[in-house]
Amino acid sequence: EDQVTQSPEALRLQEGESSSLNCSYTVSGLRGLFWYRQDPGKGPEFLFTLYSAGEEKEKERLKATLTKKESFLHITAPKPEDSATYLCAVQAGGSNYKLTFGKGTLLTVNP
Amino acid sequence: GAGVSQSPSNKVTEKGKDVELRCDPISGHTALYWYRQSLGQGLEFLIYFQGNSAPDKSGLPSDRFSAERTGGSVSTLTIQRTQQEDSAVYLCASSLSGGGTDTQYFGPGTRLTVL
Repeated sequence: EDQVTQSPEALRLQEGESSSLNCSYTVSGLRGLFWYRQDPGKGPEFLFTLYSAGEEKEKERLKATLTKKESFLHITAPKPEDSATYLCAVQAGGSNYKLTFGKGTLLTVNP
Repeated sequence: GAGVSQSPSNKVTEKGKDVELRCDPISGHTALYWYRQSLGQGLEFLIYFQGNSAPDKSGLPSDRFSAERTGGSVSTLTIQRTQQEDSAVYLCASSLSGGGTDTQYFGPGTRLTVL
């Protein structure tokens, strides 16, 4: 069974204090790993897709990396507007569509 | 452009009543998905549509849950005889073709509360 575990469950940072969120996964043949951002009362907003170990993608203050067992979402010099829940999901090789999500990391960035 | 829309945004119902949740996907997207997000849990896959057909209903938690999609566009998720454990946020997503690692774009969700 595909599994995704995200850590920490919650993270508080001061503005400008860089850190990383972790997503560990067990999947039968990874087709893709997805990062989403979710603000309170809203649906998940797509950030990145990673396909193979060693791949990295960047968007503004966010950089996502992928190994064979985990993915990291690095946040550089975060701002209060980066506060949100960050969700990680995997798509297994046997599925063309189904995403298995972790429970998310609630990030709070204080000014 | 317009994103995925869902209605109602909030629904409060009494135990035992039936409810219908609606999803309007992004125009031109042939694939549509329903997920459920319960408090403290990750998003849980419910059902996938390719066009009007549902090749995978494996995530539906019981036979009280059903979904249909008409005209390859709007989808309705119906929950019959609602139970308190059905309380959750129901999220709909759509993607261009449903193949490969298509990006799934989510709607804002419907928060269902069963009293």
